[in-house]
Amino acid sequence: GAGVSQSPSNKVTEKGKDVELRCDPISGHTALYWYRQSLGQGLEFLIYFQGNSAPDKSGLPSDRFSAERTGGSVSTLTIQRTQQEDSAVYLCASSLGGGLPKYFGPGTRLTVL
Amino acid sequence: QQQVKQSPQSLIVQKGGISIINCAYENTAFDYFPWYQQFPGKGPALLIAIRPDVSEKKEGRFTISFNKSAKQFSLHIMDSQPGDSATYFCAASMRSSASKIIFGSGTRLSIRP
Repeated sequence: GAGVSQSPSNKVTEKGKDVELRCDPISGHTALYWYRQSLGQGLEFLIYFQGNSAPDKSGLPSDRFSAERTGGSVSTLTIQRTQQEDSAVYLCASSLGGGLPKYFGPGTRLTVL
Repeated sequence: QQQVKQSPQSLIVQKGGISIINCAYENTAFDYFPWYQQFPGKGPALLIAIRPDVSEKKEGRFTISFNKSAKQFSLHIMDSQPGDSATYFCAASMRSSASKIIFGSGTRLSIRP
């Protein structure tokens, strides 16, 4: 039984470039969450998907951030025109029925130069 | 604005001792209080959670104590072991949006053999 997987594990990009981060949740989990972890801000909620419901996007810090979840499984977090303050570890989690995220993936460490 | 305050920032405990991490919150709308454990290079994992209608919850060597009137809660790790060395995050959420967790700043726990 694989856990939540994320790719890439590390991403270095230049300021102004777009990046895509991928999350593969645990099979059968209907809920998927994106958080980010940075030195200055700690762990912050970004977005939440639950089944076919409209996602809760209230944590996205700006309109440069977007996420989608295709077929109720894999999710992609896209950051357009990256800024240095976007540097952080982006964490994905999934759970069977919603509520608290239980299983976080190892994260993608994003560095914006 | 730090909605969940956590202390200490770091903690060193001898093997077999009791590790105690404290948290305080302001928003009385919070009604679910989870703790997460994070090992280096890994994502956080849900450890234990408590609702404010109980004052204590125990799972193995881990106990959450909850003081609703003081708006404080704490994690006690009994008989601390070197394998417990990790960063611990307290958190809070509301029943209406349990996916959106407000995390404390974290405590780096080291258990000395």
